[in-house]
Amino acid sequence: QQQVKQSPQSLIVQKGGISIINCAYENTAFDYFPWYQQFPGKGPALLIAIRPDVSEKKEGRFTISFNKSAKQFSLHIMDSQPGDSATYFCAASVTSGTYKYIFGTGTRLKVLA
Amino acid sequence: DGGITQSPKYLFRKEGQNVTLSCEQNLNHDAMYWYRQDPGQGLRLIYYSQIVNDFQKGDIAEGYSVSREKKESFPLTVTSAQKNPTAFYLCASSFRTGASYEQYFGPGTRLTVT
Repeated sequence: QQQVKQSPQSLIVQKGGISIINCAYENTAFDYFPWYQQFPGKGPALLIAIRPDVSEKKEGRFTISFNKSAKQFSLHIMDSQPGDSATYFCAASVTSGTYKYIFGTGTRLKVLA
Repeated sequence: DGGITQSPKYLFRKEGQNVTLSCEQNLNHDAMYWYRQDPGQGLRLIYYSQIVNDFQKGDIAEGYSVSREKKESFPLTVTSAQKNPTAFYLCASSFRTGASYEQYFGPGTRLTVT
């Protein structure tokens, strides 16, 4: 119940295309869902996050779509650029508890020039 | 310049030696975390601490130890009991209360044990 399942494991997209990464969870107590971006040899950095009271959040080219009934959320990267090539992690947390994150296994995105 | 520092960036040790990884933050965060990252396995929580002088085991605490004597510091010791210590270690911190739930990560330490 504590797992967050992330797919796909890897993704190749042409420059200008849309990258879509999906995550699913079981624990309905999760109420904070962040996405992190990690470049090789660096620590992850927060990209965008959503609470379950909204179905979509957009920041620039990055959008989170959230489906509470399906217990799924996804990251959409519009107009993907080679500089977006990185590993992306979704996570989930129960904010009334310890603030611990449960991370997905990551998606390695490569955007072709 | 606020943030989290981890040192060293690369660390090499012989099997059977204990090694301590440093993590310092100047963000005034209450909570600190240690994660281990292996290829294809995401980030796994080793230990976390919500306040000074208190810490809890995460999902993979065996073979590791921590201390939290100061709010700013959360060092991780990888002991000789850890069977497969070679990995990328990440430290993170966050506020423990309020509306900000974000965990901020340090740059990581890559440990190689031979």
